[in-house]
Amino acid sequence: AQSVTQPDIHITVSEGASLELRCNYSYGATPYLFWYVQSPGQGLQLLLKYFSGDTLVQGIKGFEAEFKRSQSSFNLRKPSVHWSDAAEYFCAVVVNTGFQKLVFGTGTRLLVSP
Amino acid sequence: KAGVTQTPRYLIKTRGQQVTLSCSPISGHRSVSWYQQTPGQGLQFLFEYFSETQRNKGNFPGRFSGRQFSNSRSEMNVSTLELGDSALYLCASSSGAQGDTIYFGEGSWLTVV
Repeated sequence: AQSVTQPDIHITVSEGASLELRCNYSYGATPYLFWYVQSPGQGLQLLLKYFSGDTLVQGIKGFEAEFKRSQSSFNLRKPSVHWSDAAEYFCAVVVNTGFQKLVFGTGTRLLVSP
Repeated sequence: KAGVTQTPRYLIKTRGQQVTLSCSPISGHRSVSWYQQTPGQGLQFLFEYFSETQRNKGNFPGRFSGRQFSNSRSEMNVSTLELGDSALYLCASSSGAQGDTIYFGEGSWLTVV
């Protein structure tokens, strides 16, 4: 079955430091991959998506992600973290493109220290 | 362009009651899907509707149901509420086309007491 793994439950990063959040997926075909961010009490905001083409995708708020088929990974990166980036981040894959169903990872909570 | 709108944002219900949540998708979007988010189970797919037809359903009991209207607005209903139904219910919309972006609303917080 299709699945998404986010191995880090919590990550603490100093403000201004770089960030990498890990995501691994299990899916037989070419995946459609997403990263969403959720602030406390809020819904999910799309950061970026990968469907095909360039393996490095740019998103909003200075985030980028790299699709690596050989490693079944889609890691999220940001060169310099801001305090406002503290939130929970979810990686997701669309399964069965005949309909819209997302399978989510368990999320990574990002804490930003001063 | 307005985003995905969910109502109500917060509600408290008693065990055994039923609840109806509403979702208005982004204008022009024909696919609406629903997700349940809990601390223990994370984000789980409930069902997806496209042009008033349910295309897929997640692994939830029959107490969870939904529908979509001709204007693409959707409702989900939970009957005979249980304490474990307390969750954030998220609605998402997209055009329904392969590879299209899926946008989420702010969610409806349901507390069952």
